Amino acid sequence: DSGVTQTPKHLITATGQRVTLRCSPRSGDLSVYWYQQSLDQGLQFLIQYYNGEERAKGNILERFSAQQFPDLHSELNLSSLELGDSALYFCASSVDTESEKLFFGSGTQLSVL
Amino acid sequence: GESVGLHLPTLSVQEGDNSIINCAYSNSASDYFIWYKQESGKGPQFIIDIRSNMDKRQGQRVTVLLNKTVKHLSLQIAATQPGDSAVYFCAERGYRGSTLGRLYFGRGTQLTVWP
Repeated sequence: DSGVTQTPKHLITATGQRVTLRCSPRSGDLSVYWYQQSLDQGLQFLIQYYNGEERAKGNILERFSAQQFPDLHSELNLSSLELGDSALYFCASSVDTESEKLFFGSGTQLSVL
Repeated sequence: GESVGLHLPTLSVQEGDNSIINCAYSNSASDYFIWYKQESGKGPQFIIDIRSNMDKRQGQRVTVLLNKTVKHLSLQIAATQPGDSAVYFCAERGYRGSTLGRLYFGRGTQLTVWP
């Protein structure tokens, strides 16, 4: 168990809908990272937050947004969903902003039908 | 696309043998490397990391070797066990156009251990 908690584990929704994925980092970790994993793209970095503030952006679509709350949990919002958004979404956390020793949650499997 | 790649997408070994998983990277400025193991239905699990000022680091049954001259990283697993069957990812920390480094992941190698 990595100590990173993600909910829900599975999400099935329809195109055009909006969903929210939730992540609680390991105790003491201030950085939260979101990754998307698909068969053809591998693990793709989406966005990083540190202590409530956005620190880095990767390949995140404009339809997607995230935030980190004062209690350090994070939410990834995916809107106007398309079939191609179906993927595993992972949250990871680390102590600081240096992208070292990221600890990953078990992921949310999103299926857009 | 990502600069980190793997020489072989699949590797099959017999239980008890040693496994070597290779990884090539193209960014000579990368200063930190890390290996993850991902079992089916689970998130990537940290195995071992190494900084660019080192060429070898050992953990429990695992060793990571870094050859900066040829930009090559390898993960050696001693006495491979069935529980080692998983997809193994290498990642490098790069600073492409930013002062804040982030991890770039390779595609992964599927390791299968036969009894």
